[in-house]
Order: sequence, then structure tokens, then C-alpha cells
Amino acid sequence: AQKVTQAQTEISVVEKEDVTLDCVYETRDTTYYLFWYKQPPSGELVFLIRRNSFDEQNEISGRYSWNFQKSTSSFNFTITASQVVDSAVYFCALLGNYQLIWGAGTKLIIKP
Amino acid sequence: GAVVSQHPSRVICKSGTSVKIECRSLDFQATTMFWYRQFPKQSLMLMATSNEGSKATYEQGVEKDKFLINHASLTLSTLTVTSAHPEDSSFYICSASFRDFDSGANVLTFGAGSRLTVL
Repeated sequence: AQKVTQAQTEISVVEKEDVTLDCVYETRDTTYYLFWYKQPPSGELVFLIRRNSFDEQNEISGRYSWNFQKSTSSFNFTITASQVVDSAVYFCALLGNYQLIWGAGTKLIIKP
Repeated sequence: GAVVSQHPSRVICKSGTSVKIECRSLDFQATTMFWYRQFPKQSLMLMATSNEGSKATYEQGVEKDKFLINHASLTLSTLTVTSAHPEDSSFYICSASFRDFDSGANVLTFGAGSRLTVL
């Protein structure tokens, strides 16, 4: 069975704090892809990152960074020096054999 | 590249009418398209998977006669909500998938979504 768990339903931090969003997944596929998407209040999905199962390198893009660890089946997302514009719902997703599994999402609230 | 255009972005209709939502891949051929529904404050729920030229595969609990999906070409898939009722009000999102031959990766790209309100 495939499953994506985002245990944090809602996180609230003050602007400029660092925040980490957790994502834990389960899959039997040997090849799969992991995604993070941002959904601002306007509703559209904004692609943030795709990582395939063979690439465990961590990635940094500006204030965003991702930590992929196959040993713990986790693909966590960290925002450094958070800003109010980062407020959104963030989804982690797993794509294996064309079956896309979504986490429940984490609502991130950045207070000024 | 790999842009998916979804139209309309917002639609309001009367109960009992049908609404069609289009999903177009603008610069690539989408062999597989997915249709999702998102209830307020919830994650995306896969409704169906459609492959060009064949019937869509619906997820359990999704009414085939209610939500008609057509994938007549490699660049267009449509979702028709037939005889819409207020409980069909939701945010519908399409997604297209194709394999990038250079990297071998499955590329997944989403439309901007369509917010349906049934009065």
C-alpha cells in the first residue's frame, strides 16, 4: 500500500522563524517520485520540487530546503526565515506507477 | 514548458444543469490525465484517471454517470458534471502526466483548478 502522512495539520509561527514541514511516506515501488506543492488561499497548486527515489541529495532553493531520507522514508521541507507570503497549505505527494498519493496537507500560518 | 490550462477557473450554475471543465496541455502531449476534487480544508481526492482514446478509470465511490470524463485527444480532457447539485460544489483540479525522455522522469503538472458553485 502507498501512503503519505503529513502529521502536522497546522503550524503557526512568527515571521522570520524557521519552520519544518514533515512528510513520511510508504511505498513498495522501487522507483517513485516525491513532490511538494504549495496551495495559497487563491487555490492554485504551485509546484515546489520533485525528487526521484534514486536521488537522496538534499536540495536548497533560496529559503527553501528539502531533506530526503530513504532510511526513514521521509521528505521534509524547511522554510528558513519565514515570511507572511509563505502562508499556505503545503502538500507532499508520492507518485509511483502513475498512482499519485497525496498527504492531507499542512496549513502554515506565518504571523507578522 | 509543460503547461496545463484549465478552464473555466470559476463557474456558478443552477442546480440541475451540467457543467463542463476543460483541461488542455499546451506544449506537450499528455498520455494520462488525472482529475481531482478538493473539499474545503482537505487534500486532493483522485476522481479518475483518463488515458487518451480509452475510457476513464474511476476511483471507488465516484459516480461515472455523474462525472463524465472524455480524453479525446492527447492535449484535451474534459470533465462534465451532469445534473449538478449543491453538494457537487467543490474545487476541481486536473493534472497531466508524461514521461520526459531525457531524464526518464514522470512529469506531473497541474491546471490552476476550477471552482464550481452550484446554487
